Formats: sequence, structure tokens, C-alpha cells
Amino acid sequence: ELKVEQNPLFLSMQEGKNYTIYCNYSTTSDRLYWYRQDPGKSLESLFVLLSNGAVKQEGRLMASLDTKARLSTLHITAAVHDLSATYFCAVYQYGNKLVFGAGTILRVKS
Amino acid sequence: DSGVTQTPKHLITATGQRVTLRCSPRSGDLSVYWYQQSLDQGLQFLIQYYNGEERAKGNILERFSAQQFPDLHSELNLSSLELGDSALYFCASSDPAITDTQYFGPGTRLTVL
Repeated sequence: ELKVEQNPLFLSMQEGKNYTIYCNYSTTSDRLYWYRQDPGKSLESLFVLLSNGAVKQEGRLMASLDTKARLSTLHITAAVHDLSATYFCAVYQYGNKLVFGAGTILRVKS
Repeated sequence: DSGVTQTPKHLITATGQRVTLRCSPRSGDLSVYWYQQSLDQGLQFLIQYYNGEERAKGNILERFSAQQFPDLHSELNLSSLELGDSALYFCASSDPAITDTQYFGPGTRLTVL
């Protein structure tokens, strides 16, 4: 059974500093997604990573995938208040299922 | 706005009752997925339909059922409701021809009293 672990589960960030969220998963997969969720809102797709070594960047967020290590990272550069949200990684499981991590709550302090 | 619509936004009902949640996928998407999000269980995949047929099943209770209609909208039926069924229910749709990214609707918040 595929298990997806995110850490940290909570991250208090200072504006302007860099941080990384880690997503580990337990069985082989060739697809990983990152989503953002604001409080009480839906999930917004951020990145899809489809192969080993894939790197995607959008603004202050950069995601990467290492399928051999079964690890994805979401790197935040120079945190700003707008990035406060919950971030989920989701790993594709054979049989058309997405297994989500528990989510990482990001709070940016001024 | 993802293009996925869900109704109703909120639903308050009593234990033992039955409710139906409705979802319309993005234009052109053939797959519809249902998820349950709660504080203790997180985001759990329930079921997927593709072009009217059940494609994958997750942690869906026997009291829950779903279907996808010829116009591709989907309904999730929850019956014999219990307090523990209170959660946010999301529908998502995807186009497998591209990246198979799932786009989520705004959700239905179900409260069982």
C-alpha cells in the first residue's frame, strides 16, 4: 500500500527566507503532484512532475522529483505572506488513484 | 476557478438521512473523482468514474455510492448518515490525454447533526 509522508507538517516562515517541504513515498510511482489549499477553499494544482529529475518552477516555488529516492521537494524562495496556505503532495498509484500526504501548513510571519 | 462545479456548497442534515452531492466536470474531461476531506482522515480518495463507468475505488463505504451520467456529470449518494460522515467532499475531473492532473471543484461541506 502506497504511503505518502510530508514533513514538516507545520512551517512558520519568516518573510524573505528560504524553506523546503519534503514529500516521501513508499512505493514506485512515475507521477507526483503538488497542490495548494487556502483555508476553507478548494485545492489548486501547482505542479505535476512526470519523470525522474523533473524540476518545475513558478514564481517563488520550485518542485523537484527524485523517483529513485522516492522523494519530492517543494522549495520556497524568499517567502512572502501570499504563500501562506496548506500544501499537499499527491502520488499517483497504479489503478488511477492519487494518494495525498497529510499536508504542510505554511504560515509566513511579517 | 477550476471549471469543476459542485452543488450544494453546504448541506446540513441529521443522522440516518440520505443526501446527494452533484458534480459537473470541466468541459471535455471524461474522468470524475470523489474525495472526502476530514481533519482526522485527511484527503481520502473515494471513487473514480470514466465516461460513465466505474474505473477505480478507494476507501468508499458501502453506504456511499456514485454514478456518472451520459452528460458526464456525477452524483455521490451518501445514506444512513453518521456523525463521522461530516466532512468536505470534493469532486475533481481530469483529461488523461494530457498530464492527468486532477482539477478540484469548490467542494460540498456536509454537516451531520
